[in-house]
Amino acid sequence: AQSVTQLGSHVSVSEGALVLLRCNYSSSVPPYLFWYVQYPNQGLQLLLKYTSAATLVKGINGFEAEFKKSETSFHLTKPSAHMSDAAEYFCAVSVTGRRALTFGSGTRLQVQP
Amino acid sequence: DVKVTQSSRYLVKRTGEKVFLECVQDMDHENMFWYRQDPGLGLRLIYFSYDVKMKEKGDIPEGYSVSREKKERFSLILESASTNQTSMYLCASSVHGTGSQETQYFGPGTRLLVL
Repeated sequence: AQSVTQLGSHVSVSEGALVLLRCNYSSSVPPYLFWYVQYPNQGLQLLLKYTSAATLVKGINGFEAEFKKSETSFHLTKPSAHMSDAAEYFCAVSVTGRRALTFGSGTRLQVQP
Repeated sequence: DVKVTQSSRYLVKRTGEKVFLECVQDMDHENMFWYRQDPGLGLRLIYFSYDVKMKEKGDIPEGYSVSREKKERFSLILESASTNQTSMYLCASSVHGTGSQETQYFGPGTRLLVL
């Protein structure tokens, strides 16, 4: 079975600072990994996904994530936070043969002016 | 643009009532999913469907059932609502591709309060 751990339920950064949201996964087979974002009172939308084509994945709104097999990690970064990045972020994993995603518990990002 | 709509944004029901949550997608997706979202627990899969009239249990199916009579519509049914089913319910859909890497598209969610 696969699982996802997101370290830090709340992260606060200043506007313009680096954003780093951590995600570690557990899977006995090669995983597919996703980051989704949820803005207040909205559903989730895809930020980026890793499907084994390239270990560094670029997504929307300046976010990127790097797949590190040796560390079983898929951390999300953005060089410079913007106020509009304030949202909840979910890491998720899937494996071949399983259509559904397994989600982490989420990290709420707060951006201070 | 993919659009997934859910019939209600907010619902208030009483314990013991039968509750129907409706989800419609307009992209001819084969797969549809129901998740519930609770603080600190992320999203947990209740049921999913990979074709009309086909369904599979997710991780927390107890107290729920589903119906998929048409490809675009997936209903979640709470047979007898209980207070521990107070939650945010999210519907999603995806195309059935070659693997498990397809993007899921989410509706805006239904916040259900059971009194």
